[in-house]
Amino acid sequence: QKEVEQNSGPLSVPEGAIASLNCTYSDRGSQSFFWYRQYSGKSPELIMSIYSNGDKEDGRFTAQLNKASQYVSLLIRDSQPSDSATYLCAVNRGGGADGLTFGKGTHLIIQP
Amino acid sequence: GAVVSQHPSRVICKSGTSVKIECRSLDFQATTMFWYRQFPKQSLMLMATSNEGSKATYEQGVEKDKFLINHASLTLSTLTVTSAHPEDSSFYICSARDNTRDTQYFGPGTRLTVL
Repeated sequence: QKEVEQNSGPLSVPEGAIASLNCTYSDRGSQSFFWYRQYSGKSPELIMSIYSNGDKEDGRFTAQLNKASQYVSLLIRDSQPSDSATYLCAVNRGGGADGLTFGKGTHLIIQP
Repeated sequence: GAVVSQHPSRVICKSGTSVKIECRSLDFQATTMFWYRQFPKQSLMLMATSNEGSKATYEQGVEKDKFLINHASLTLSTLTVTSAHPEDSSFYICSARDNTRDTQYFGPGTRLTVL
C-alpha cells in the first residue's frame, strides 16, 4: 500500500516569513516527487518536481528530497497572502505509466 | 505551457443516468492520461490509467463497468459514469502526461452532482 503522509494543518505563517511544508512516503520504489498547489474548488497546479536527493530551487520555492529518510519538503520564502492554499505532495515510480499517489495536503494560511 | 481541458466543468444529473466527461490535451500528445476523484476535504485518489488504443487500468476498488474509459486518440480520453448514484457525486479531475516529459498536467476538473 503506497502512502504519502502530510500534516493537514492549518499551518499559519506571517507574510514575508518562510513556510515549511513536509511530506513522507512509504514506497521506497518512488522515483519522482511533486508539489502541487490547490486552491479551493480548483484542480492542482504543479509547483515543483524533484527527482534527485538534495535541494532544487525555483524562484521563492525550494524542494528538498532525502530518499534515505523517505522525506520531501517544500520551502516558500517571502510568503505572500496569495500563497494561501492547500499544498499536495505527490509521488510515483516514474516511467510515465504510473499515476500519482497524493498526500491529503497541508492547508497553508499566510497572515497579512 | 501544457494545457489540459475538461468538459463539462459542472454537471448535475438524476440518479440512474449516465454522464460523460471529456479530457483533452490541447497543445501536446498524451499516450497516457489519468483519472482522479476528489471527495470534499480529501485528497485526489487515482481511479484509472487510460492508455491510447488499449484498455484502461483500474485501481483496486474502482468498478470498471461503472466507470467506462475510452482513450481513442492521443489528445482525448473520456470517462463515463454509468448509472450514477448520489455517492458518485465528486470532483473528477483528469491529467495528461506529456509524451516528451515525466510530468502530469491536470485539467480544471468536473464537479458532478447526482440528485
